[in-house]
Amino acid sequence: AQKITQTQPGMFVQEKEAVTLDCTYDTSDPSYGLFWYKQPSSGEMIFLIYQGSYDQQNATEGRYSLNFQKARKSANLVISASQLGDSAMYFCAMGANAGNNRKLIWGLGTSLAVNP
Amino acid sequence: IAGITQAPTSQILAAGRRMTLRCTQDMRHNAMYWYRQDLGLGLRLIHYSNTAGTTGKGEVPDGYSVSRANTDDFPLTLASAVPSQTSVYFCASSPNGENTEAFFGQGTRLTVV
Repeated sequence: AQKITQTQPGMFVQEKEAVTLDCTYDTSDPSYGLFWYKQPSSGEMIFLIYQGSYDQQNATEGRYSLNFQKARKSANLVISASQLGDSAMYFCAMGANAGNNRKLIWGLGTSLAVNP
Repeated sequence: IAGITQAPTSQILAAGRRMTLRCTQDMRHNAMYWYRQDLGLGLRLIHYSNTAGTTGKGEVPDGYSVSRANTDDFPLTLASAVPSQTSVYFCASSPNGENTEAFFGQGTRLTVV
């Protein structure tokens, strides 16, 4: 079965420090994508970063990087130099295009609080 | 219109009433989705559409219906609302399916009383 697990319901980090948000996944599909989204208290869902299962290098987008360890089936999000505006819910999701039942599988999210 | 737009942004609805949540995108994306987000349960897929003219059931389709008459619009209908359908509803689209970024609308907060 396809599944996304985020084991950290809540995280705290000091401003300007780096933080890692965990995400593990389970799938038997050979081709899949891994996503991270941010949802601030205002409610909108903001795409952060994407990693394809065949990508050789870890994805990076500004202060966001994805630590992709395929053998361990993990796709952790690393936020460097945390800012107060990074306080939000963070969701890991997985997409697969095998078969007709197409959908994104979502984790339950991690709430990140950045302390000044 | 820029991106993906949902309407209304919030609604209080009497149980038993019919309600259509609207979703429009101007990015010519093939795939569109409806999710509901509930505390402790994350995002759950209600229905999806891979291309105009086709729809499919997601994880929690009961009590909801969708249509995809054209590329841009993907309305979600609650035929007879019940209190358990109180939730925040998100519409999303992506160019070609689940291996590409999904763009989200701003959400519709629905309360069924």
